[in-house]
Amino acid sequence: DAGVIQSPRHEVTEMGQEVTLRCKPISGHDYLFWYRQTMMRGLELLIYFNNNVPIDDSGMPEDRFSAKMPNASFSTLKIQPSEPRDSAVYFCASSLRLTSLDTQYFGPGTRLTVL
Amino acid sequence: AQSVTQLGSHVSVSEGALVLLRCNYSSSVPPYLFWYVQYPNQGLQLLLKYTTGATLVKGINGFEAEFKKSETSFHLTKPSAHMSDAAEYFCAVRAGGYQKVTFGTGTKLQVIP
Repeated sequence: DAGVIQSPRHEVTEMGQEVTLRCKPISGHDYLFWYRQTMMRGLELLIYFNNNVPIDDSGMPEDRFSAKMPNASFSTLKIQPSEPRDSAVYFCASSLRLTSLDTQYFGPGTRLTVL
Repeated sequence: AQSVTQLGSHVSVSEGALVLLRCNYSSSVPPYLFWYVQYPNQGLQLLLKYTTGATLVKGINGFEAEFKKSETSFHLTKPSAHMSDAAEYFCAVRAGGYQKVTFGTGTKLQVIP
């Protein structure tokens, strides 16, 4: 398996622009997670999905952030409008259901820089 | 509620020396505990996990961790550090069946030749 795939790997944009991050989870995984990593706040869970349905979005910082999972093999995290404080590495992770719930497989991340 | 505290944001050891990374947790129910490693410019990779059963857990790359309920600890150790162990290590906790995982702030391990 190719693992969790994220695109783009790097994104540089200007304040006020819309940014869309993409994630393809491992095939067969029913859970998908979006994390943000910064020096100041460490690794934060933003939102997670189970069978394409958002379960917990309490970590989403504000209304500028939105996430969707239209099908089992694709998810997006959108920031509109973007701000410099959104600069971070965004990770997507997925995990199996039932007995393997524990292990989350992380993608390589998208490094976002908002100027 | 659940939380994780990693003691020491940076740890330096000499090559061949013992590696000890400290993690204490708080959980209102029996926890599931994890250690992840992150190499530069990569995502997190699971090193090992404790769910139930044996309290000494062995992981990849020669690492192991021991769950100590009385001390609410889950410290990560490796008898002999290798240069390739230089990375950032994250302890994480999940409270029982609840899927949400809480990560610690990470410990950067430096291995000195």
